[in-house]
Amino acid sequence: DGGITQSPKYLFRKEGQNVTLSCEQNLNHDAMYWYRQDPGQGLRLIYYSQIVNDFQKGDIAEGYSVSREKKESFPLTVTSAQKNPTAFYLCASSFPRQGRWQPQHFGDGTRLSIL
Amino acid sequence: AQSVTQLGSHVSVSEGALVLLRCNYSSSVPPYLFWYVQYPNQGLQLLLKYTTGATLVKGINGFEAEFKKSETSFHLTKPSAHMSDAAEYFCAVSAGSNRDDKIIFGKGTRLHILP
Repeated sequence: DGGITQSPKYLFRKEGQNVTLSCEQNLNHDAMYWYRQDPGQGLRLIYYSQIVNDFQKGDIAEGYSVSREKKESFPLTVTSAQKNPTAFYLCASSFPRQGRWQPQHFGDGTRLSIL
Repeated sequence: AQSVTQLGSHVSVSEGALVLLRCNYSSSVPPYLFWYVQYPNQGLQLLLKYTTGATLVKGINGFEAEFKKSETSFHLTKPSAHMSDAAEYFCAVSAGSNRDDKIIFGKGTRLHILP
């Protein structure tokens, strides 16, 4: 079955450490997204990519980095510059944008906590 | 710019009662509107969407929503609540066709089902 796989499901970060969250999709979607979810704040867009080797900052990109070397993969690195990384991170994908953003398919998320 | 407001961060209904989750949007152009559901520790799943055409949209699990342009609303309803409907629900709008326009999510409404 097609879908989005995020790993790991739970991740712990030490102070000063970079960590990378994995996101893989086999839906043949061109567009991929990373969101951060905090209680009571809904979803906030971190980065998105409409095509391989291209990505744009979302609303809260500071302290995060991404790469898009393959269509299927869009890893997110939470750097030590992100001072409050504890959150639930969601990866999503969608068909290519043709004038409007399309409905997104989501992975099951990675919960990141600070040790 | 577009925006979404979900009225009520928590809603409680009795099993078998009507479910009504409210969503109002702001947009300068005809919007695309979405409702997503999120179960604990999972990603979001698309319930239904409105793009153009019929203003009453039917989705999965017996949910439906009606686009009312005059009221800038897209409320989600279900005639009879079931215990399995307990989850968090997100309304979202996609309103622009410019490069920087995005899907905007509301802050979510947690639905509690009382036995």
